[in-house]
Order: sequence, then C-alpha cells, then structure tokens
Amino acid sequence: EAQVTQNPRYLITVTGKKLTVTCSQNMNHEYMSWYRQDPGLGLRQIYYSMNVEVTDKGDVPEGYKVSRKEKRNFPLILESPSPNQTSLYFCASSLTSGSGDTQYFGPGTRLTVL
Amino acid sequence: GENVEQHPSTLSVQEGDSAVIKCTYSDSASNYFPWYKQELGKRPQLIIDIRSNVGEKKDQRIAVTLNKTAKHFSLHITETQPEDSAVYFCAASIAGSARQLTFGSGTQLTVLP
Repeated sequence: EAQVTQNPRYLITVTGKKLTVTCSQNMNHEYMSWYRQDPGLGLRQIYYSMNVEVTDKGDVPEGYKVSRKEKRNFPLILESPSPNQTSLYFCASSLTSGSGDTQYFGPGTRLTVL
Repeated sequence: GENVEQHPSTLSVQEGDSAVIKCTYSDSASNYFPWYKQELGKRPQLIIDIRSNVGEKKDQRIAVTLNKTAKHFSLHITETQPEDSAVYFCAASIAGSARQLTFGSGTQLTVLP
C-alpha cells in the first residue's frame, strides 16, 4: 500500500531532551517536507527536501533540523525542544517538487514539550 | 512570499444546505490551488484542486472557482451531509517554487443534522 508513515504518533518529552520524528514513504517520491499545525495558523512548512542530500528551510525552521540521506526517509530532529514546539507535526511527500503535484500526508505526530 | 487568507474560520450549516469557503492569495504568480479536508484526528487529504488556466472545476457535490484578477478562490459544497463536517484548508502554490504549498488557516465546517 502506498503510504507515508511517521513515528512516533504521540510523544511527551521535556525541555532540552533531543528527539527525532521519523518519516518514510514508499512511493519513490522525490519531494518531502515537514509541516507543523497549530490552531488558527493552518499548516506551516518547516523544512523541505527536493531530493537526496538536498534540503532547505521553509517558513518556520528555527529549532529544527532535517536530513535526507535516503530517498524514502526524511527525519525531523529537535536538538533541544522547547514548549513552543508543542504542536501537531505532519510529514508529506509528492512525486516531484513541481507545482501541482499532489502532496500525501503522513498520519501526524502529536508532540508535547513540558 | 505568498500569503493565503481564508474565511470564515468556522461555519455551521444545516444538512442539505450549501457551504462556501473563501480564500485570497497575494502572489499573482501562484497557479495551483488545492483544497484539503482534515477530519478530526486524521491527516489532511486532497479533495479538489484547480489550476490557473480554468475558472471552475466540479466533482459531484464539490466545486471550486477561481478569480485570477481578484486573486481569490472558493470552495462550494452543495447538499451538505454530516460527513462533510471537518476542517478545510485552501492552499496556493507558486509556479516553479520548490516550497510547494502555502496554506490558509483553515475553516471548521459543522453540518447540523
């Protein structure tokens, strides 16, 4: 089944404790990205990757890191999480970075930073 | 960069009535406008999209219209049903941009039985 997966789905952590949220897609998509969803703000892009070893900042990159060593995986790293990073995170992928490609979202990761 | 504004933030309609959600965008270079539906606790899923070379697109009870001159586009849902209750997001994409989609802030649609 073609899909985007994320792990973990739920995470409660404390300020400053490094964490990684994994994202994987099995559709051979070139483009992957991370969004955070906050009430009243919609979905805001954190980072994106056009292909392996090619990443760039989105609208809200501060406090996050990403890597794209393999085409199928795009982990999101929070080196030192803070309470303002409490949010719902979605990974997404699309066939290419071309305008108009449908984005497929993962199931989401609800992160709480105490 | 692109800015997308979406209204209203909440919308309640009676079952069977129509619902309209409106979005405006700022960058005239945008040429792709998808709409996503997000049910409670679920991921956003594409329900319909429109490109700048057409003014209207329909898919059963759902339609989207685009006015490039005014830089706004709208989602129309007719004969609403309880299962239409969800958060709807509009988005805009700038041609050739690797940053893909800029989303609106979302509309919580509630269809009352």
